[in-house]
Amino acid sequence: SQTIHQWPATLVQPVGSPLSLECTVEGTSNPNLYWYRQAAGRGLQLLFYSVGIGQISSEVPQNLSASRPQDRQFILSSKKLLLSDSGFYLCAWRSRTGGDNSPLHFGNGTRLTVT
Amino acid sequence: GEDVEQSLFLSVREGDSSVINCTYTDSSSTYLYWYKQEPGAGLQLLTYIFSNMDMKQDQRLTVLLNKKDKHLSLRIADTQTGDSAIYFCADRGRTGGFKTIFGAGTRLFVKA
Repeated sequence: SQTIHQWPATLVQPVGSPLSLECTVEGTSNPNLYWYRQAAGRGLQLLFYSVGIGQISSEVPQNLSASRPQDRQFILSSKKLLLSDSGFYLCAWRSRTGGDNSPLHFGNGTRLTVT
Repeated sequence: GEDVEQSLFLSVREGDSSVINCTYTDSSSTYLYWYKQEPGAGLQLLTYIFSNMDMKQDQRLTVLLNKKDKHLSLRIADTQTGDSAIYFCADRGRTGGFKTIFGAGTRLFVKA
């Protein structure tokens, strides 16, 4: 069966520090991968998605970047965090072979607090 | 861009039915989903419905789709305290570039 791992679960970082959040998927090949941010009391905002190694699409201009160095690894980064980067970050994957009805499958999320 | 809207809160008594409503704007929606998020966790897929269906039932869950009004609802029968969570409606359609668009989530409170 497929599983998705996301770490760390919580992170407190000072303003101006770098960020690296990692997500890996097991049990499937060539998935579509996604990073979402959930701000308190608000819905999910799609930040980045990737359809293959090295292929990253950005949905919103921001202080963050994403990379996909391996097929099942997706990394969210920042060189210098801002207070506004605080939030709950969710990684998700979707099968590319499961047809149009393939849903998103989410990791357990990372709670980031920038102080 | 396309949008999905939900009411933010719903409170019910244990044993009653809960109905969570959602409206969407994408006229070319293909699939609509309901996800559940428990505190501090990721989103868990509850159920989904294809846009050419009116209803789908899965144990205590009933999904109703009114495509004409672009209205989706999730009914939870015999609501339990373990059902307390945030429920997200999501839409995936051609107009939205086949991206999954989420509503802001409805927080369901179940009173014992």
